[in-house]
Formats: sequence, C-alpha cells, structure tokens
Amino acid sequence: KNQVEQSPQSLIILEGKNCTLQCNYTVSPFSNLRWYKQDTGRGPVSLTIMTFSENTKSNGRYTATLDADTKQSSLHITASQLSDSASYICVVSARAGTALIFGKGTTLSVSS
Amino acid sequence: DADVTQTPRNRITKTGKRIMLECSQTKGHDRMYWYRQDPGLGLRLIYYSFDVKDINKGEISDGYSVSRQAQAKFSLSLESAIPNQTALYFCATSGKREGSIPYNEQFFGPGTRLTVL
Repeated sequence: KNQVEQSPQSLIILEGKNCTLQCNYTVSPFSNLRWYKQDTGRGPVSLTIMTFSENTKSNGRYTATLDADTKQSSLHITASQLSDSASYICVVSARAGTALIFGKGTTLSVSS
Repeated sequence: DADVTQTPRNRITKTGKRIMLECSQTKGHDRMYWYRQDPGLGLRLIYYSFDVKDINKGEISDGYSVSRQAQAKFSLSLESAIPNQTALYFCATSGKREGSIPYNEQFFGPGTRLTVL
C-alpha cells in the first residue's frame, strides 16, 4: 500500500534555531516528492518539488533532501522565524499525472 | 492563493441537507481537484477533472458529486449531508506539464470549513 509517514508529529523550537522534519514513503513507482507549508486556516503552499534524479532543492531558508534508494526525505529549516509556525506536509506522486499521496503533516511551532 | 477562490469559506448545515461548495480559478489551468482534510489525517482526493468533459472519482467519492461547469469552475455537492462529512474542503488546480518538467504543480484554494450537525 502506498503510504507517506512523517515525523515528528509536532515540534516546538525557539526562534532562530534550525530544525529538520522527516518523511518516509513506500510509494511505488516513484515520480516526485513535494513539501507543502500549510498555515492555520489556509490552503497548502508548495515549497519544493523533487524528482527521482534530484537529491536536494532549496527555497530560501527551506532545504529539502531526497534519498530515493532509502525512500526518505527531509526538510531542513534554517534560522527559524515565528512565521514558520505551520503544518509541513510531505506529498508523493506515484506517477506523473496521477493522484498525490499526502502525509499527515508535522506541526511546527516557533516560539520567541 | 488568490487565483483559486472557494465559496463559502465557512458553512454550518444540518444532516440531510443538500449543499454545494464552489471553486473558481483565474490561473487558466485545465485540471481541478477537490480534497477533504480531517484532523490527524492527510488530504484525501474526492474528485478530479482534467477538462470540462472529464470527471474522475478519487479515493473517497461516496456521498459526493461534482460538476465542471466551465474550465474555471468546479463545484462539489453533498446531496444529503451527514455529520462525518464535517471537514475542511480544498479545491486545487494544476496546468499541463511544461517542456521536460515531469510533474504538475498543484495550487490550493483557501478552503471551506463545513460543519454538519
């Protein structure tokens, strides 16, 4: 069964600190992996999309990595800000053009 | 994303009522999707449409129906709402793949919070 598992479920960090969120998937065949940020009460917004051949991609202070061999991805947030408080969702596509498989998300709280 | 709008943003209704959620987009995208989000669960696909004449069931289509009135409009209907349809509903759009890029990025609307009493 195609699944996407994220850890931790929730995380609290101090402003200015770094953090790393994890995503493991069992989706096959693999097409691409996406990280979305979802603010409370808003729709998800894409941060990065990586295909099989890409092992890292950055978007400002967000850096995603992908290991297609171990089927793992991580999202690293550098120098966190209060506005980074949100849910971060890992999403995997089994084949280009088909339905996306969503993880349950990691809820990040950044405190001052 | 202001390019994808959903109405209403919040709705409270009673069991057995018919309700329609609407989605409009100005992105010029061909593909539109309806998802629901429940606490502690990932987003799940209800229906999707790749063009005006194309409607496809998603993972959890039972109890729902859709209508693609135009390229820019995609509505979701609950013919007879039940309490376990209480959830956050999202519309999303995506365009055709461009060049060698092997994926379609999806853009989400702001969501509709539906409560069925």
